[in-house]
Amino acid sequence: DSGVTQTPKHLITATGQRVTLRCSPRSGDLSVYWYQQSLDQGLQFLIQYYNGEERAKGNILERFSAQQFPDLHSELNLSSLELGDSALYFCASSVDGMRGNTEAFFGQGTRLTVV
Amino acid sequence: DQQVKQNSPSLSVQEGRISILNCDYTNSMFDYFLWYKKYPAEGPTFLISISSIKDKNEDGRFTVFLNKSAKHLSLHIVPSQPGDSAVYFCAAINTDKLIFGTGTRLQVFP
Repeated sequence: DSGVTQTPKHLITATGQRVTLRCSPRSGDLSVYWYQQSLDQGLQFLIQYYNGEERAKGNILERFSAQQFPDLHSELNLSSLELGDSALYFCASSVDGMRGNTEAFFGQGTRLTVV
Repeated sequence: DQQVKQNSPSLSVQEGRISILNCDYTNSMFDYFLWYKKYPAEGPTFLISISSIKDKNEDGRFTVFLNKSAKHLSLHIVPSQPGDSAVYFCAAINTDKLIFGTGTRLQVFP
């Protein structure tokens, strides 16, 4: 158990809909990262938050947004869903961001299926 | 633009032998590298890391080698065990981003 909790574990929704994925980081971790893993693909970095503020952005679509709340949990919002958005979405957390060269701990992921 | 590349999508090794997983990168500004292991239906778990000021780091059966001039790193697993069968991701740190390769699926057979 990494200490990072993601909910829900599975989500099935229709095209055009909007979903929210939730992540609770490890206790004491200030940074949260979101990754997308499509079928047979690597982990694509989406976005990072540090202590409530956006710190780094990757290949995140405009239809996607995220935020980190004062209690440090994070939500990833995916809207106008398309079939190609079906993927595993992982959240990870670390103590102080990667500037400290510390490893990130991953949750078990949310499997999103868009039908 | 794939800054971290794992060119071998899969590797099959006999139990007890050495597994060598390779990773290449393009950005010379990367200063820290990590290997993660992933089982199906689970999130990646940290395995071992290496700073760019070192060329080798060892942890039990796992050793990571870094060749900065070639922008190449490798993970050696000796001896390989069936429980090592998983997908292995190489990752590099660029400022605050942890950038992953596409992974190599290792299968260790008896």
